[in-house]
Amino acid sequence: GAVVSQHPSRVICKSGTSVKIECRSLDFQATTMFWYRQFPKQSLMLMATSNEGSKATYEQGVEKDKFLINHASLTLSTLTVTSAHPEDSSFYICSTTRGGTYEQYFGPGTRLTVT
Amino acid sequence: GQNIDQPTEMTATEGAIVQINCTYQTSGFNGLFWYQQHAGEAPTFLSYNVLDGLEEKGRFSSFLSRSKGYSYLLLKELQMKDSASYLCAVRGYNFNKFYFGSGTKLNVKP
Repeated sequence: GAVVSQHPSRVICKSGTSVKIECRSLDFQATTMFWYRQFPKQSLMLMATSNEGSKATYEQGVEKDKFLINHASLTLSTLTVTSAHPEDSSFYICSTTRGGTYEQYFGPGTRLTVT
Repeated sequence: GQNIDQPTEMTATEGAIVQINCTYQTSGFNGLFWYQQHAGEAPTFLSYNVLDGLEEKGRFSSFLSRSKGYSYLLLKELQMKDSASYLCAVRGYNFNKFYFGSGTKLNVKP
């Protein structure tokens, strides 16, 4: 069964508004979660590493004030795209690793369309 | 920086064998992963190599040479449902960080 859930699966918003995406680990605690972005026909680009109880670590070139990450509990990380613009339209995927395993578990992804 | 290269697209025939190559140059290495991704969906795990050699898993096998910074994914007895993108990913010096190649779109034709 699913290990990581993501909500919403699809969202359409108007330019200038903010959108929150939730990522939950199911049945286990995830101290670290990862947020990726994937543009059409491109690969996954790591945006940031979300750490429970501390600040997220952003990859080079990712605006931390635009992509707000909150990891307030051991099972939930949220990504808020603030003041969204059409160029933010993308597929956003979260993932986590599980203690004792080498595998990375991905959420089902969120398709964001900014009009 | 991290540099992971894969061919952009490949075409193969149903029932055949196809090899998808991946070369990498990363600041650290703690394993190489292959994922399958269908359009509009999240990636699903296929295989993992951390030591040199071949790992076989049913119709899928993956090979790693750390000295050459090279891996390949071998798909046997191709089926139409294998049409998807295949992503090569390297786990870097930070044990939990994964860096992905651009993906190889595989088209399986009858």
